[in-house]
This record gives sequence, C-alpha cells and structure tokens, in this order.
Amino acid sequence: GDSVTQMEGPVTLSEEAFLTINCTYTATGYPSLFWYVQYPGEGLQLLLKATKADDKGSNKGFEATYRKETTSFHLEKGSVQVSDSAVYFCALLGNAGGTSYGKLTFGQGTILTVHP
Amino acid sequence: AAGVIQSPRHLIKEKRETATLKCYPIPRHDTVYWYQQGPGQDPQFLISFYEKMQSDKGSIPDRFSAQQFSDYHSELNMSSLELGDSALYFCASSPTLNTGELFFGEGSRLTVL
Repeated sequence: GDSVTQMEGPVTLSEEAFLTINCTYTATGYPSLFWYVQYPGEGLQLLLKATKADDKGSNKGFEATYRKETTSFHLEKGSVQVSDSAVYFCALLGNAGGTSYGKLTFGQGTILTVHP
Repeated sequence: AAGVIQSPRHLIKEKRETATLKCYPIPRHDTVYWYQQGPGQDPQFLISFYEKMQSDKGSIPDRFSAQQFSDYHSELNMSSLELGDSALYFCASSPTLNTGELFFGEGSRLTVL
C-alpha cells in the first residue's frame, strides 16, 4: 500500500536558518504530493502541493519539488521564522488506476521549533 | 471566510459509553472526511462521504459509524468506547472529489477515562 516516511524530529533551528525536512514515499501509479502544517491547537492546513514529476510547489517561502526518480518531496525554506514553529506533515494522494476519493496518506509528522 | 466547524471541541467519556461528534463542512463543499490523530501520531483516515454517500472507508472500527445528512453536515458515532479511542478527531471538507486539498476543522478532542 501507499506510505510516506518523514525524517524524524524534532527539528530545532535558530531564526533565519535554512530548513530541510525530508520526505520519501512509496506508491503505485502517479500520486500527488502535499505538505500540510499544523500549528498548536489547530487543524491541518495545506501548505503546498505538486501533482506530477518535476513540479515545484511553493507557498510562504516554503518549496518542495516532486522527484519521481528518488520518490522524494523534501520541504525547504531558506530563512525560517519563529512563526514557522509547527508540525509539518508530508502526504500523498494515491492514483493507482482509479480514483482515491481524496483520501490522504500522511507521514508521521516533523515538529519544527524555531528560536529567536 | 467560513471554515469547517466541529463540535464539541472537547469531550470526556467513560469506558463503554457512546460519543457523537459533529462536523459542518465549508458551504458548497460536497466531500467530508474523518481522521483520527492519536498523541504524537499522524492522522489516520477513518471514512469519507461524497454527496451524502459513503465514498471510502479506512481503519474505522466496527464500533464506529458515520453519516452525512441532507444539509451536508456529518456525524461520527462511537460506541463501546475504549481507552485507545482517546484522540483528536478531525473533520475535513473539500470542494471537489479526489484533489487531496482538504480543509480541516480544529478537531474534537475525545478523552476516554
């Protein structure tokens, strides 16, 4: 079945540091890939997405490129802020020969803490 | 802008009791999803509805049931509660089927004592 693996956290950075959170996936067919962010006490919010190989999703300074050859979708940001402190989830929407009805498979989440 | 509304936000029950969670999707969203998130865990898909019909089913125990009503709100019913059911239950809605772009509510935290 489909699965998503994220780098283990937590990740602690100083403000303005470079961020990378690794994400790799296993899926049949051609999945779409997503990053969701969960701020404390809130529900998940879509951060960015990519629907086909070599697509780059970007939002709020975050970027991720869909790499089919390495089955990866690593999240990056050049300069993090304290307000970026949250839990980040990589997710995929499978598409193995039919509709998946929008059901997402999530990775285990990575806690990011940014200090001033 | 209107968001997904979930109620109650917090719920405390005893073992073997029953709980009902409600979800009000964003207007004109025709798809609703339920996810369960244990402490420090990733969200696990339970069940989804499209146009008031069940569209997919995940790791939902037989003790749980759900439905979507004519006004598109959804309810998750949980019976014979167990300690392991303690979790955050998220409802999400989507304007179209099969995009992966879900709008999540703030969740209902169930504690089973």
